[in-house]
Amino acid sequence: EDQVTQSPEALRLQEGESSSLNCSYTVSGLRGLFWYRQDPGKGPEFLFTLYSAGEEKEKERLKATLTKKESFLHITAPKPEDSATYLCAVQGRSQYQGAQKLVFGQGTRLTINP
Amino acid sequence: DAGVIQSPRHEVTEMGQEVTLRCKPISGHNSLFWYRQTMMRGLELLIYFNNNVPIDDSGMPEDRFSAKMPNASFSTLKIQPSEPRDSAVYFCASSLSGLPYNEQFFGPGTRLTVL
Repeated sequence: EDQVTQSPEALRLQEGESSSLNCSYTVSGLRGLFWYRQDPGKGPEFLFTLYSAGEEKEKERLKATLTKKESFLHITAPKPEDSATYLCAVQGRSQYQGAQKLVFGQGTRLTINP
Repeated sequence: DAGVIQSPRHEVTEMGQEVTLRCKPISGHNSLFWYRQTMMRGLELLIYFNNNVPIDDSGMPEDRFSAKMPNASFSTLKIQPSEPRDSAVYFCASSLSGLPYNEQFFGPGTRLTVL
């Protein structure tokens, strides 16, 4: 069974204080690892997809990296508007070649204090 | 594009009543997903459709839950009868299946409260 574990559950940083969020996963044949951002009262918002170990993607102050067992979301010099819950999800291989389900972690609740 | 549209945004009902949640996916997307989110269990997939056909409904908690997708632009999730433990936020998401364009885009959710 595919599983995703995110740590820490919550993280509080000062504005400008860089850090990383962790996503550990077990999956039978990784097709993709996804990062989402979720603001209170809203649906998850897509950030990145990573497909293979060694891959990196960046967007503004965020950079996602992937190894064979985990992914990191690095936040550089964060601002208060980066406060949100960050969700990690994996998509494993299946016999079905079409759309496949995502298995989500519990998320990391990030708070950036001004 | 308007994104994924869900209605209603909030629903308060009494135990035993029927509840119907609605979703309009992004135009051109051929996969649709229904999720439930609670504090205890996080975000869980209930069912997903590809080209209007249900592919995996293993996450549907019990027979009280049913989902339909009569056409490419509309889906419903029905709970009958509803129970207090069904209280949660229900999200609909859509995607265009096939690598690499299989990112799922979520709607704003329906917050369901069953009294």
